[in-house]
Amino acid sequence: SQTIHQWPATLVQPVGSPLSLECTVEGTSNPNLYWYRQAAGRGLQLLFYSVGIGQISSEVPQNLSASRPQDRQFILSSKKLLLSDSGFYLCAWSVLAGEGTDTQYFGPGTRLTVL
Amino acid sequence: GQNIDQPTEMTATEGAIVQINCTYQTSGFNGLFWYQQHAGEAPTFLSYNVLDGLEEKGRFSSFLSRSKGYSYLLLKELQMKDSASYLCAVMDSNYQLIWGAGTKLIIKP
Repeated sequence: SQTIHQWPATLVQPVGSPLSLECTVEGTSNPNLYWYRQAAGRGLQLLFYSVGIGQISSEVPQNLSASRPQDRQFILSSKKLLLSDSGFYLCAWSVLAGEGTDTQYFGPGTRLTVL
Repeated sequence: GQNIDQPTEMTATEGAIVQINCTYQTSGFNGLFWYQQHAGEAPTFLSYNVLDGLEEKGRFSSFLSRSKGYSYLLLKELQMKDSASYLCAVMDSNYQLIWGAGTKLIIKP
C-alpha cells in the first residue's frame, strides 16, 4: 500500500529565515506530487505540482520554490520567510487511474508559524 | 472564473441525517471529490463522482448533477466523530482540482 510522509510536523521560524519541507511517497512509481497551503479557516491553495523528476509547475507567484530531485521526493523551500507564509502545508500524491480518476491523497502536513 | 460554493458551517444532532451541498462553475469537468478534514489534520478522501447519480459508501453518500453543477454529501446516523470540515473539489478540463473553502460540520449530542 502507498504511504506519504512529511516532516517536520510543526515548525516555528523567524521572519527572513530559510525553509525546507520534505515529502516522500512509498509504494508507488511516477506519482503526480503536489504542495498545498491552507491558511487558518480557509480552503486549500495549490502552490506547486510535479508530473515527474525535475518537472515543476508553479500556480502562485511567491517567495517559495519546489524541487523534485527523485521520483518520490518533493521539497518545498524558501530563502527568506515572510509572516504571510504561516499556514498548514500539505503534500499530496496521485496516480492517474482508469476513466480519468486522479484522486489525491494527502500527507499529515506541516504546521508552519513564522514569527 | 472558476468557483466552488459550499455553506461555511452546519450544525446537526447525533443520530440524525445531514446534507452538505456544493455548487460549482468550472472550466470543464472531470469529476467531483469530497474530502473530510478533522481539525488540525490532513484531508482524507471520501468519494468521487463523475457520472450523474448517487454513490453510496456505508453511512456516507454523494450525489452529482452535472447539468445543474451541483453535488451533495449525505451523512446518515451521525456520530460525534463526524464533526469535521467537508471539502468539495472539482477537477477541471486541465485535470487541476478546484477546491471549495469547506463546510464545518458541528455535531451536537
